[in-house]
Amino acid sequence: GAVVSQHPSRVICKSGTSVKIECRSLDFQATTMFWYRQFPKQSLMLMATSNEGSKATYEQGVEKDKFLINHASLTLSTLTVTSAHPEDSSFYICSATSSSGQGRSEQFFGPGTRLTVL
Amino acid sequence: AQKVTQAQTEISVVEKEDVTLDCVYETRDTTYYLFWYKQPPSGELVFLIRRNSFDEQNEISGRYSWNFQKSTSSFNFTITASQVVDSAVYFCALTSGGSNYKLTFGKGTLLTVNP
Repeated sequence: GAVVSQHPSRVICKSGTSVKIECRSLDFQATTMFWYRQFPKQSLMLMATSNEGSKATYEQGVEKDKFLINHASLTLSTLTVTSAHPEDSSFYICSATSSSGQGRSEQFFGPGTRLTVL
Repeated sequence: AQKVTQAQTEISVVEKEDVTLDCVYETRDTTYYLFWYKQPPSGELVFLIRRNSFDEQNEISGRYSWNFQKSTSSFNFTITASQVVDSAVYFCALTSGGSNYKLTFGKGTLLTVNP
């Protein structure tokens, strides 16, 4: 149980285009989803937290107009990188949690999406 | 603010050697959770262990063992008789209610096990 999928696993796009990444919880309802970015040989950095049906909360320094997050249902959150540029090339990972309170301490991670912007 | 320090950036061992990955954490919360994840070259994070702050018992799972010591704020991870398949980046992470259950990751330790 507790499987999280991401689609696509890998995407290459031209500079200036927008890219949408989907994160799905396959066998549970995700009340909260997290989006992380990981540059090569670096750690995971939290970008934003999204709760179903409400606006995402972005971490300091993350442009909310650049990285649009939609958590429209309890099984799906999307991250759209708008007007992507080469510096947005990175590994994007989502995670999901099904619980409230201290149960939120357990996050289930997706396999990641590798974005390359040419 | 919470912090996780993995002082070892890279470790290289020969197969069958034991290796310990260090993790030191900082938090003001009395209830918190510590994790270890493995990230192989494919990139997918593999969950290894979750430990809450009230459970200081050390844990062993096959060749893996974890030593949690609140007195030194450390949560070290030992691989016994390492294998080439253990080669990966290992992350230690921390979360608590005080951080609204956001995970704080260490910078990771790249472990290379040579045949």
